[in-house]
Amino acid sequence: AQSVTQLDSQVPVFEEAPVELRCNYSSSVSVYLFWYVQYPNQGLQLLLKYLSGSTLVKGINGFEAEFNKSQTSFHLRKPSVHISDTAEYFCAVSYLSGAGSYQLTFGKGTKLSVIP
Amino acid sequence: DTAVSQTPKYLVTQMGNDKSIKCEQNLGHDTMYWYKQDSKKFLKIMFSYNNKELIINETVPNRFSPKSPDKAHLNLHINSLELGDSAVYFCASSQDMRTGISSTDTQYFGPGTRLTVL
Repeated sequence: AQSVTQLDSQVPVFEEAPVELRCNYSSSVSVYLFWYVQYPNQGLQLLLKYLSGSTLVKGINGFEAEFNKSQTSFHLRKPSVHISDTAEYFCAVSYLSGAGSYQLTFGKGTKLSVIP
Repeated sequence: DTAVSQTPKYLVTQMGNDKSIKCEQNLGHDTMYWYKQDSKKFLKIMFSYNNKELIINETVPNRFSPKSPDKAHLNLHINSLELGDSAVYFCASSQDMRTGISSTDTQYFGPGTRLTVL
């Protein structure tokens, strides 16, 4: 079975400071990795994804993530956060399920709070 | 233009009632999903449909019945609502998720429906 662990449920950080949100996954098959962001009272929006190729993936709003196969990690980083980055961030893995389709499994989310 | 829309946005109802949530996507996608997000923000897939055909049916009570009249719509009907059904329900869509790695594509989410069962 595939699972995703987001190690921090809450991360407070001061404005303009760097941030790293951690994500580890476990899987016995090839997986594809995603980060989604959920702003308050909104749906989820894709930040970035890793399917293959370069292990450093750049996304929207200045975020990037690095896929590390040996450590089964896909941590999300931003060098300088803004107040508008305050949101819930979800790491997810997509894998080929027994039903013959790709299925997303989400982590429990990390709430990023940017302090002015 | 809204890509994935859901109605209603808020739904407050009594235990035992039957209710429906509607979802529509105008992206031309073949696959649609329903997710449940609980009070702790945990997201879990409930169902997925590909071109009106049920593909994924997680362990969801049979009080929940998805219906897909066409590939642009996936509605969720819930019978005999219980307190534990209170959650935010998200609809999503993507390209055909069965045709291989190149189709491991972005899932586009609707704004969610907050269901409160009293």
